[in-house]
Order: sequence, then structure tokens, then C-alpha cells
Amino acid sequence: GENVEQHPSTLSVQEGDSAVIKCTYSDSASNYFPWYKQELGKRPQLIIDIRSNVGEKKDQRIAVTLNKTAKHFSLHITETQPEDSAVYFCAAESKAGTALIFGKGTTLSVSS
Amino acid sequence: GAGVSQSPSNKVTEKGKDVELRCDPISGHTALYWYRQSLGQGLEFLIYFQGNSAPDKSGLPSDRFSAERTGGSVSTLTIQRTQQEDSAVYLCASSLQVWGDNEQFFGPGTRLTVL
Repeated sequence: GENVEQHPSTLSVQEGDSAVIKCTYSDSASNYFPWYKQELGKRPQLIIDIRSNVGEKKDQRIAVTLNKTAKHFSLHITETQPEDSAVYFCAAESKAGTALIFGKGTTLSVSS
Repeated sequence: GAGVSQSPSNKVTEKGKDVELRCDPISGHTALYWYRQSLGQGLEFLIYFQGNSAPDKSGLPSDRFSAERTGGSVSTLTIQRTQQEDSAVYLCASSLQVWGDNEQFFGPGTRLTVL
């Protein structure tokens, strides 16, 4: 079945630095790739998503890039702030185009 | 409006007992998903429902796990003869459609502890 690998598992940056999280997926038929942020003790929430018909999408300090040939997508956070500290999950739609297959998450720590 | 709700928020049970976890999706959302999140792990897909169609049970880890969705709304995840490895946070999510490119809204989860 679909498999999503996410790296790194932990990431520590200084406030103001950039953070990059990378994911690879196995099913070339996947067309939808969301990113979720889960703050400590809270539920996951969608922060940005990208569909396969575009290579990059940006929303303020957050951007996602997609390389369908390499089956690789990345989350970029610029000018990080302490409130960006959370666990970030990438996901790819399953073969059936229904449920999402999630990566194992990246714990981002932003220190001031 | 109200988001996805789940109950109970915490459940402690003894090994071998059955448990039922409840999910109330956002009104009007036709798709409902169950995930399991073990400590330090990602979100493991368990099952999804879309309207009155047969559910996709491909993620259920064993036949001890089952789920129902009554009237296209509320869903119950049942775990029979619980084992210690079932301890995890069980998250429910709903979306407007079944297609994966619709945002999934998650509930707060039920933390299950099997002693």
C-alpha cells in the first residue's frame, strides 16, 4: 500500500531561522498532499495543501513544494516563531483517493 | 458551528474488556475517518465511511476492531478483548466528501489506556 516517509523526526531552530521538512511517497497516482500541524495536546489542523497540478504553493510564511517525478514534497517555514513549535505531519492520499496516509511526524522546536 | 466531537476524552480499561469510542462529525460532512495515534507515531488510518456506501476497513489492525456509522452521522469504534498494544489516542475526522483532497477536520481524540 501507500507509504509516506517523513524527515527529520525532530528539528530545532532559532527564532527567525527557516525550517524545512521533507516527505516522500510511494504511490505515483497520489494527487493530493496536505500538511497538518498538531500542537501539544491538541488535534491536528490543516495548515497548507498542494495538488499535483502545481509545483509550489505559498501562504505567508509557509510554502510547500512538490516534485511528482521524484515523488517528493516539502514544507518550508520562514522566519520561524516560537508559536510554530509543534508536530508537523505530511500526508498523501491513498490509492483509492480516499483516506490520507500520514508520515510519522516532525517535532519542530523554535527557541527564542 | 460545532466541530468534530469525541467521547469519552479518556478511557482506562482492563486487558480483555471491550470498549466503545464515539464520534460526532461536523453536520453535513458525509465522510468520516478513524485514525490511531500511538505515542511518538504518526496517524494510522483505520477505517472510513462515506454516506451509505460500504466502509473501507482496510486499515483495521485485527478483527477485534469494528466500527459503525448510524444514519450517516454518529460513528462508534468498538475494540473487543482489548490488549495493551491497543493503548493510543483514537482520532476521528470528517470531511465534506470522500475524495482525499477535502480538508479533514479532526476531533480532540479519545485517549485509551489498557492496563
